[in-house]
Amino acid sequence: DADVTQTPRNRITKTGKRIMLECSQTKGHDRMYWYRQDPGLGLRLIYYSFDVKDINKGEISDGYSVSRQAQAKFSLSLESAIPNQTALYFCATSETGDLSNQPQHFGDGTRLSIL
Amino acid sequence: LAKTTQPISMDSYEGQEVNITCSHNNIATNDYITWYQQFPSQGPRFIIQGYKTKVTNEVASLFIPADRKSSTLSLPRVSLSDTAVYYCLVGGFNFNKFYFGSGTKLNVKP
Repeated sequence: DADVTQTPRNRITKTGKRIMLECSQTKGHDRMYWYRQDPGLGLRLIYYSFDVKDINKGEISDGYSVSRQAQAKFSLSLESAIPNQTALYFCATSETGDLSNQPQHFGDGTRLSIL
Repeated sequence: LAKTTQPISMDSYEGQEVNITCSHNNIATNDYITWYQQFPSQGPRFIIQGYKTKVTNEVASLFIPADRKSSTLSLPRVSLSDTAVYYCLVGGFNFNKFYFGSGTKLNVKP
């Protein structure tokens, strides 16, 4: 979905480095999410934000932090990257409302490799 | 926790109807059922969503029995381009335990 843009698309870095993944959206949605995807495990929720001043931990938030700089921007940081954080990371957005009712719109992902 | 269970993979041929079933025994009263499609190197894409009975749109149908403990995504007359991973998602208010599952890899053969 071109309305949700993730940068970079690919990143290779070393253990201990600080990494920031960025997400921007033009859909005008209030809600934004960060997921990671590992082979055979589907997608797991890292953090989510319902609006600019709202940040919530997801299922696997340890080792990650986020910043919601504006309605359109939601960044994910790995303060000190470790190899088991190697994964495909997705940003998503949705309209306000019960998540059950609101389809999520995903970016095309950032493939992160930590050596 | 509304965990879902789907077959790991399925094979089909072009032109056939494909039915993918998802089990969600712990679905909560206010949970909706949502299906997504994911192609390699792309993010998941919303297909269809429902609460009970049957929902149909231009690409798929979703069948949900009265007890809502399972759901079936039906893809009519699949083509090679339908080869993808399909995720069943049961959401709810407990976002911290939002569960996507590992999906069903559908392989459509010519």
